Amino acid sequence: DGGITQSPKYLFRKEGQNVTLSCEQNLNHDAMYWYRQDPGQGLRLIYYSQIVNDFQKGDIAEGYSVSREKKESFPLTVTSAQKNPTAFYLCASSQWGNENEQFFGPGTRLTVL
Amino acid sequence: EDKVVQSPLSLVVHEGDTVTLNCSYEVTNFRSLLWYKQEKKAPTFLFMLTSSGIEKKSGRLSSILDKKELFSILNITATQTGDSAIYLCAGLIQGAQKLVFGQGTRLTINP
Repeated sequence: DGGITQSPKYLFRKEGQNVTLSCEQNLNHDAMYWYRQDPGQGLRLIYYSQIVNDFQKGDIAEGYSVSREKKESFPLTVTSAQKNPTAFYLCASSQWGNENEQFFGPGTRLTVL
Repeated sequence: EDKVVQSPLSLVVHEGDTVTLNCSYEVTNFRSLLWYKQEKKAPTFLFMLTSSGIEKKSGRLSSILDKKELFSILNITATQTGDSAIYLCAGLIQGAQKLVFGQGTRLTINP
């Protein structure tokens, strides 16, 4: 089945620890995106990548890092520098081009204790 | 700063009612307006609107874009309990292909 997978679904970490969220897609999409969703604030863009080995900061990149070594994978690391990391994280992908919608993965809920 | 605002933030209606969800935007290099439905986890795509005044329909859902007033609406007729969800609208920035999302409207349909 084609789609986007994110793992894990739920993640608990202690304050001060880095944590990496996984995002994999087998849709052969060029572009991949990471969003954060907080209650009442919709989705905010963290990082996005249009092509392998290239990525750009979104609106709230501070405290996060990404890599895009393979077309199908776009992992997100939440570092200890992120002041309020508890949130729902969504990964998305799309074919490059303005006429293509983004498809979303099921999300990872991160709770920092 | 790019901004998308949805209203109302929350709406509760009875099954069978018709609802209208609103989305206004201020997005530089605007390309399109997208609507998504989010039930539990992953938002699912509903519509992409690029041209002004052309209604898009899918069953009981329809949407239209007004590029002069920077506004879009999503209509749902004869609502069903399965329509209960958060509805998100987003502006697509041309070139960068970034989406700027609104806060979402939480729609609850009571039987």
